[in-house]
Amino acid sequence: GENVEQHPSTLSVQEGDSAVIKCTYSDSASNYFPWYKQELGKRPQLIIDIRSNVGEKKDQRIAVTLNKTAKHFSLHITETQPEDSAVYFCAASFGNEKLTFGTGTRLTIIP
Amino acid sequence: GAGVSQSPSNKVTEKGKDVELRCDPISGHTALYWYRQSLGQGLEFLIYFQGNSAPDKSGLPSDRFSAERTGGSVSTLTIQRTQQEDSAVYLCASSSGGLVGYTFGSGTRLTVV
Repeated sequence: GENVEQHPSTLSVQEGDSAVIKCTYSDSASNYFPWYKQELGKRPQLIIDIRSNVGEKKDQRIAVTLNKTAKHFSLHITETQPEDSAVYFCAASFGNEKLTFGTGTRLTIIP
Repeated sequence: GAGVSQSPSNKVTEKGKDVELRCDPISGHTALYWYRQSLGQGLEFLIYFQGNSAPDKSGLPSDRFSAERTGGSVSTLTIQRTQQEDSAVYLCASSSGGLVGYTFGSGTRLTVV
């Protein structure tokens, strides 16, 4: 079935250091992998996405990598700042338009 | 509209009452999704619409939950005979369809007392 696993569930990093969040998915037919950021009490917002024909995508301090063979993808945040503190969700589309989300990672940036 | 609008933003209801949650997607977005988020938890899929049709309603927890979409626009999620375990934030999202990200609304926080 459709399943997305996300690790770690919580992550604390020193300001300025890098943070990495990893997700694995179950269906090799998955073809779209977005990442969402949810600040406390707010709606999830799309921050970056990648499609299955691409291995890596960068947008300023954030990047996403995809390994189709291993069925995993990762979010990388460099030079972390206090405003990066939030819950991050990965998601995968299993051949249709519906997204299945991971369980989330609470990222805390320590000043 | 400029964004996805949900109403009400907060709803407190007594156990056993029915509630209706409304979602107004971004104009022109053909796909509309309902998710549920319990406190501190992830995003649980409920149902999605492509136009007025619901190709996947596999996430609806029980027959007390139903949803409809009319005119390819506004959607209503109805919960009958509410139970305390229905308490959560109900999030609606829309997209233009295909392999694109969703835009979420601010959600309806439902509390069943």
